[in-house]
Amino acid sequence: AQKITQTQPGMFVQEKEAVTLDCTYDTSDPSYGLFWYKQPSSGEMIFLIYQGSYDQQNATEGRYSLNFQKARKSANLVISASQLGDSAMYFCAPGGGGNTPLVFGKGTRLSVIA
Amino acid sequence: NAGVMQNPRHLVRRRGQEARLRCSPMKGHSHVYWYRQLPEEGLKFMVYLQKENIIDESGMPKERFSAEFPKEGPSILRIQQVVRGDSAAYFCASSPTVETQYFGPGTRLLVL
Repeated sequence: AQKITQTQPGMFVQEKEAVTLDCTYDTSDPSYGLFWYKQPSSGEMIFLIYQGSYDQQNATEGRYSLNFQKARKSANLVISASQLGDSAMYFCAPGGGGNTPLVFGKGTRLSVIA
Repeated sequence: NAGVMQNPRHLVRRRGQEARLRCSPMKGHSHVYWYRQLPEEGLKFMVYLQKENIIDESGMPKERFSAEFPKEGPSILRIQQVVRGDSAAYFCASSPTVETQYFGPGTRLLVL
């Protein structure tokens, strides 16, 4: 079974600053992926970034990057140059290999301040 | 390439009625997942289907809930005799053979 911990229920960041959203997980799967999704107030779930457990480099996708520390079982999301439109809930979710369901954390609510 | 489609976006039912939620996966995706989100919580897995097969239903309540993904047409999540506790957002996600799941906009079910 997989367990996810997002310790920050809410975060504030100044516009144009960088912010790190924490995620730790516990899994017994030898191979897995880490996903981050954004859920704005409109409610849809938007895929942001993916990290494979055997990937040698940290994943990056535009302003999003993952600080993946496999030994510590953490996959923190870093958002650089925050924008007002980044205000949303952010969910971390590990998934096992081969189309297995995702297990979501409780999320972190990010508020970007002008 | 259209994204994952869900309808209706909002559904209101009275206690005891049936709710039918539809999900059309992205073109070329043969894997469909249903998740439920209660207010202020993360998504919880319900069921994983491929065409005409239920692969994993470990997250489905044992009674009143069923899901199908027929050879033709959308995947259907069916809730019989709805109760107030069924009020939630229900999300469908689809994936091809790789792992990333793409979510639909969700159906908000309100049971009066």
